[in-house]
Amino acid sequence: DTAVSQTPKYLVTQMGNDKSIKCEQNLGHDTMYWYKQDSKKFLKIMFSYNNKELIINETVPNRFSPKSPDKAHLNLHINSLELGDSAVYFCASSQEVAGETQYFGPGTRLLVL
Amino acid sequence: SQQGEEDPQALSIQEGENATMNCSYKTSINNLQWYRQNSGRGLVHLILIRSNEREKHSGRLRVTLDTSKKSSSLLITASRAADTASYFCAFYQGAQKLVFGQGTRLTINP
Repeated sequence: DTAVSQTPKYLVTQMGNDKSIKCEQNLGHDTMYWYKQDSKKFLKIMFSYNNKELIINETVPNRFSPKSPDKAHLNLHINSLELGDSAVYFCASSQEVAGETQYFGPGTRLLVL
Repeated sequence: SQQGEEDPQALSIQEGENATMNCSYKTSINNLQWYRQNSGRGLVHLILIRSNEREKHSGRLRVTLDTSKKSSSLLITASRAADTASYFCAFYQGAQKLVFGQGTRLTINP
């Protein structure tokens, strides 16, 4: 009965590969997010979707493409992976666009070799 | 974008002592939140304080907010080993984007 779940938990891959991370929330929230946490623990938003519509798209390389098939799911596809993409990626959700509390998934640790 | 700044970056105390960490920001805010991140885990929301509040309590947590100084503090009283984690302040920049501080790593020594 996990509120926000992500798969996979760990992802080790070679440079140049394409990979996807999946996120699902069972909280009935309308808004979902992707964050990137670097090695210094700095957490930065990448994308935000509200009811399947993109509302925040930070300065992220277009190799990153989010997809929201429905409001309970927000997946992240990354093309042509680079060494600098190595990080922990967190999915989160909130009730509203300016939702006050965000609920985070456990994270996906991506290592690009 | 302007992230929050947290101080100290790392804090190590003995179990039972109180831990205080501070957050400063530069924009106007409607509320400020604190999150905890245990090692290898996601962030967990701890407490939210609104801009018209000066102090808020939740169990062993006490949060203060000084909007004139654009700063907030999180106090954890009677610390326990399980409180060992990183603590982040966060606030909305505009209506939609939640911005985090760089975090304070708290270590509670038995």
